[in-house]
Amino acid sequence: QKEVEQNSGPLSVPEGAIASLNCTYSDRGSQSFFWYRQYSGKSPELIMFIYSNGDKEDGRFTAQLNKASQYVSLLIRDSQPSDSATYLCAPDQSGSARQLTFGSGTQLTVLP
Amino acid sequence: GAVVSQHPSRVICKSGTSVKIECRSLDFQATTMFWYRQFPKQSLMLMATSNEGSKATYEQGVEKDKFLINHASLTLSTLTVTSAHPEDSSFYICSARALRTTKYQETQYFGPGTRLLVL
Repeated sequence: QKEVEQNSGPLSVPEGAIASLNCTYSDRGSQSFFWYRQYSGKSPELIMFIYSNGDKEDGRFTAQLNKASQYVSLLIRDSQPSDSATYLCAPDQSGSARQLTFGSGTQLTVLP
Repeated sequence: GAVVSQHPSRVICKSGTSVKIECRSLDFQATTMFWYRQFPKQSLMLMATSNEGSKATYEQGVEKDKFLINHASLTLSTLTVTSAHPEDSSFYICSARALRTTKYQETQYFGPGTRLLVL
């Protein structure tokens, strides 16, 4: 079983729509959850992080966390073509180093 | 967001030579830095975790004698690829985790990456 699973892509949404990205994780000791965006040929860029159950909103982005279900999601409202990228879900690992475990990513394409 | 730099951004070298990549956190102190490698159309693969003042912890399958990591200060970590071969050609990315006490709240930020091509 993979440690972090993301909804398989590629995902295509029309411009202005809501893009929904999902992620489940296996490590119950994970405390921090990060969403990164990676454009082709570039390094990951931090979009959101969330520590507590519930929703966290930042502009057009909303992260949702449910630790009991080991589920974290990212909603992108009013999607723009510039949002087209691979989105990486990354919970940290239990243990002193707290490395991030990355999912394989969901490739999102926002169609103009 | 926080700024992490990497140098060089791109390097081409001959097989058998060594290449050093620097990773710096520019506006925060980072006791922990991480080194990743990413092959085309593949996921990020963690290579090692680097702690300031101590030996790096390598992931299974990563040769510590080939990928030398030095975390000399709270803002600098280096990765040296020794005796590089064509199969080492990849995109190497570092990240730095800010201290919990900083405004970045223990978040991990990535450098822009170094693209290595070994001929």
